[in-house]
Amino acid sequence: DADVTQTPRNRITKTGKRIMLECSQTKGHDRMYWYRQDPGLGLRLIYYSFDVKDINKGEISDGYSVSRQAQAKFSLSLESAIPNQTALYFCATSDAGTGPIRYGYTFGSGTRLTVV
Amino acid sequence: QKEVEQDPGPLSVPEGAIVSLNCTYSNSAFQYFMWYRQYSRKGPELLMYTYSSGNKEDGRFTAQVDKSSKYISLFIRDSQPSDSATYLCAMSASGGTNAGKSTFGDGTTLTVKP
Repeated sequence: DADVTQTPRNRITKTGKRIMLECSQTKGHDRMYWYRQDPGLGLRLIYYSFDVKDINKGEISDGYSVSRQAQAKFSLSLESAIPNQTALYFCATSDAGTGPIRYGYTFGSGTRLTVV
Repeated sequence: QKEVEQDPGPLSVPEGAIVSLNCTYSNSAFQYFMWYRQYSRKGPELLMYTYSSGNKEDGRFTAQVDKSSKYISLFIRDSQPSDSATYLCAMSASGGTNAGKSTFGDGTTLTVKP
């Protein structure tokens, strides 16, 4: 099984619908992140969580919400999907231990979301 | 202006060429520097990481950091078609409220032609 699992892998939804993207990890990492990736715009941070009780907005949080259900689970919701939220979404985790490797992220395989 | 700027590419080279991928940054608090490789339709995977200035070598890959110039590079020797991917640089500070939260470059897409 993958260290970071995202579901679904692909999703097509209609404008105005609520949709949830799920992320679970087996790395035992405390920190989890949600990014979206658009061609030419790189990775943009939506929300991040440094532990179960810590939720922080990223640079593009409008229109999104998150829930950290457990150390291993971090969900992203689009309350009312709109076409410009069509993108590739990635969940990532990182450790909070010591040493340089702690700052490296482990990414999931992504969810390709299309809003029509 | 972005904290991290990455040469946009795309870059196309013949097999066996030496590839240089580059990023500049403006935040002097960055101390940890990472390179990720992302294949099409996959998530980025951590390729190399370095701390502070200097070089780090791993097989055909060398990561170089020059903190005085706020410039990092990834060199790929004897490039192979399997190296064709998008490469993202990333960096993190070690202290403060953003410790451990990485800032990413936009990526450079590399194609190595047989």
